[in-house]
Amino acid sequence: DQQVKQNSPSLSVQEGRISILNCDYTNSMFDYFLWYKKYPAEGPTFLISISSIKDKNEDGRFTVFLNKSAKHLSLHIVPSQPGDSAVYFCAAFGSSNTGKLIFGQGTTLQVKP
Amino acid sequence: GEEVAQTPKHLVRGEGQKAKLYCAPIKGHSYVFWYQQVLKNEFKFLISFQNENVFDETGMPKERFSAKCLPNSPCSLEIQATKLEDSAVYFCASSLLFEDQPQHFGDGTRLSIL
Repeated sequence: DQQVKQNSPSLSVQEGRISILNCDYTNSMFDYFLWYKKYPAEGPTFLISISSIKDKNEDGRFTVFLNKSAKHLSLHIVPSQPGDSAVYFCAAFGSSNTGKLIFGQGTTLQVKP
Repeated sequence: GEEVAQTPKHLVRGEGQKAKLYCAPIKGHSYVFWYQQVLKNEFKFLISFQNENVFDETGMPKERFSAKCLPNSPCSLEIQATKLEDSAVYFCASSLLFEDQPQHFGDGTRLSIL
């Protein structure tokens, strides 16, 4: 049972344009979401997070939007840069209240120069 | 330290042998988490600690897997009698609080069972 889903395995965008990565979740008890970026042979690096009391959080080129009614969140990167090419994971804290993170399957972003 | 340090980077074991992985969390972080990444993109939660106490072990295959976080020592994840299916990258993460705070990950240990 995949509680956090990233339905697009890959995304390709041109440098300077916007990248939009999507994530859906099924459990309405989830109330805190995170985006991680991962390069090959490295661990996930935290990018940005959002609490369910907000619908938007912005940090530089990265903005996360949360639509609770649709159980959907998205990560916008603008402008996209070649260095943003990586695998992006959406994650949510599980409903067990023990800090267990539940990850999506990841989306591979390629930003072309 | 300022980063989560995992050792070794790569560990090769024959099927049936023991494997032991280590993790030094960020100094001052009370919570440590272990995840298993198989098939390149699937993360599976294994176990978490609050200091030296097990916090959540619901993801641990209890028959062969064990983990410890002892004072003044790196945390460890041990697999007895390894199987081919244990081949994966094992990530450790640490955080100040157990929820609503980002977990900071190490670079993982790639375990290859031959």
